[in-house]
Amino acid sequence: QVQLRESGPGLVKPSETLSLTCTVSGGSLKINSVYWSWIRQAPGKGLELIGDINSVGITRYNSSLTSRLSISVDTSKSQFSLSLSSVTAADTAVYYCARNRGFSGYDTWGQGTLVTVSS
Amino acid sequence: NFMLIQPHSVSESPGKTVTISCTGSSGSISYNYVHWYQQRPGSAPRIVIFEDNKRPSGVPARFSGSIDTSSNSASLIISGLKTEDEADYYCQSYDKTNHEVFGGGTKLTVL
Repeated sequence: QVQLRESGPGLVKPSETLSLTCTVSGGSLKINSVYWSWIRQAPGKGLELIGDINSVGITRYNSSLTSRLSISVDTSKSQFSLSLSSVTAADTAVYYCARNRGFSGYDTWGQGTLVTVSS
Repeated sequence: NFMLIQPHSVSESPGKTVTISCTGSSGSISYNYVHWYQQRPGSAPRIVIFEDNKRPSGVPARFSGSIDTSSNSASLIISGLKTEDEADYYCQSYDKTNHEVFGGGTKLTVL
């Protein structure tokens, strides 16, 4: 059974870069028709799609974050990563990684990690 | 932009049946699949219905999904409500460019 786990700093200073990694275990990251996704949830708010990547490195980004966002994949480590630059308090959220089975939905989620942007 | 519109909150008593709606802002909701996620307080979301009306293994049969083309809506129906069903529920579908879209979420209170 595939499991996902997010890791990275829980506190980032304004204007700096937020970096998170999602480690995939119990299954392969190299699956056709699967996108590996980042989704965030600001305190008390709904789910916001950040972006995703497939095993060959094709990315899809939320248009409102494109200028600050980079998502990469390392299949040798079974990991994919998020980098969000020039963060502000508005980027404070729980960040989830998830497996997107295309038109079958997000079937596996990490536990989430809270990232606070504060000086 | 395509949006999925959900009621902010619903409430019902234990043992009863509740329906949570998800209305597409444009186009036909039946054109693409709708999925539903449950998020209990302090937990990650988990999928409870996929492809309109299919249940993943481990999800009780009390959970079901449907599509109503006349109202351009999808519905999550939970029967025999239990206190453990109290959670936020999100619908998800796709816009005309096949990009994923989430609804705003509905808070279910089991009184």
